[in-house]
Amino acid sequence: EIVLTQSPGTLSLSPGERATLSCRASQSISNNYLAWYQQKPGQSPRLLIYVASSRATGIPDRFSGSGSGTDFTLTINRLEPEDFAVYYCQQYGRSPLTFGGGTKVEIK
Amino acid sequence: EVQLLESGGGLVQPGGSLRLSCAASGFTFNNYAMSWVRQAPGKGLEWVSAFTNGDTSTYYADSVKGRFTISRDDSKNTLYLQMDSLRAEDTAIYYCAKDRWTTSPAHFDCWGQGTLVTVSS
Repeated sequence: EIVLTQSPGTLSLSPGERATLSCRASQSISNNYLAWYQQKPGQSPRLLIYVASSRATGIPDRFSGSGSGTDFTLTINRLEPEDFAVYYCQQYGRSPLTFGGGTKVEIK
Repeated sequence: EVQLLESGGGLVQPGGSLRLSCAASGFTFNNYAMSWVRQAPGKGLEWVSAFTNGDTSTYYADSVKGRFTISRDDSKNTLYLQMDSLRAEDTAIYYCAKDRWTTSPAHFDCWGQGTLVTVSS
């Protein structure tokens, strides 16, 4: 199975700053089939990005995804208070679907 | 509005069984693949199983293969997960998730609120 490693584990930033989250795959992900999700405490995950760089419906343009092959990045420009949460990457290029371990973006 | 409502969670002893249900509304249920994803307390997300449309294939994570069975009733717009031979490590919140695709498990644009399964004696 494809193992996804997210870094850093925790990112401490202030509102207005830029967050850069990394997701590295143990093997190349076909067709860049990689998604990003946001999860706030006590809530279900929310789809942010799919096929590495396409924003899901209703997602603000301060969220952007990039990357290909084995290295992918989620960038959040100008952090808003509601953006402090845990972020997961997920690959769907090969079964079984797998998720990364998550990056927590916390208020500094 | 797309809605997914899970039910059926609870406390069960090791070796026991539970059946989870997910009632869907607000979209054409049989046009999309559906999955179950779980999250152990304080941990990350783990995909469990999927049921796709078209050829109605089923997919399972190795950790549940042979113990869990996914099914769907399109006439009731409901997804199920039959969980047998439950283990302590199956303790988690189980989410029902709608796929953006039809014919293979992919990525999920709508999630239910989750139902908690606790396996303990």
